[in-house]
Amino acid sequence: GDSVTQMEGPVTLSEEAFLTINCTYTATGYPSLFWYVQYPGEGLQLLLKATKADDKGSNKGFEATYRKETTSFHLEKGSVQVSDSAVYFCALSGGGQGAQKLVFGQGTRLTINP
Amino acid sequence: DAGVIQSPRHEVTEMGQEVTLRCKPISGHDYLFWYRQTMMRGLELLIYFNNNVPIDDSGMPEDRFSAKMPNASFSTLKIQPSEPRDSAVYFCASSLTSSARGSAFFGQGTRLTVV
Repeated sequence: GDSVTQMEGPVTLSEEAFLTINCTYTATGYPSLFWYVQYPGEGLQLLLKATKADDKGSNKGFEATYRKETTSFHLEKGSVQVSDSAVYFCALSGGGQGAQKLVFGQGTRLTINP
Repeated sequence: DAGVIQSPRHEVTEMGQEVTLRCKPISGHDYLFWYRQTMMRGLELLIYFNNNVPIDDSGMPEDRFSAKMPNASFSTLKIQPSEPRDSAVYFCASSLTSSARGSAFFGQGTRLTVV
């Protein structure tokens, strides 16, 4: 079945550092890909998405490019802030009848130190 | 819109008791999902509904778990009897067919502790 693999955390960086969180997926067909973010004590929020190969999703300085050839959707940010500290989840939704349901990776906890 | 509303936010119960978690989706959304989050297993989809009809309940761990959606604005997840291994954060999410697939809105979750 469909699956998502994220780099294991936790990840700790200093403010203004460059961030990469790796994500690869396995899916049949042409999934849509997502990054969700979970701040402490809250539910998940959609951060960005890409629906087809070579699409780039972006939001709040974060970017991720849908790479079909490497089945990857790595999350990047050029200069992180303390407020970016959260858990980040990569996810996919497949096609067909289950197109609306999400399959999540394990999550990567990010801590940014001032 | 107030977003997806879950209640209670926290629940502590004794093993063997019945637990009912509640969810109000965003008005107009036609999909509703129940997820469970644990440290060991991450985020797992338990069940989802489309237009109040259960579509896939293959993630429901066992017969102790049941979910209903009597109308478009309310859903429940019930555990009877509860066990310590059910301790987790349970999330409800909703989405709209016409939006990009997978673009779901999540509630703040119910943290369940079974002692």
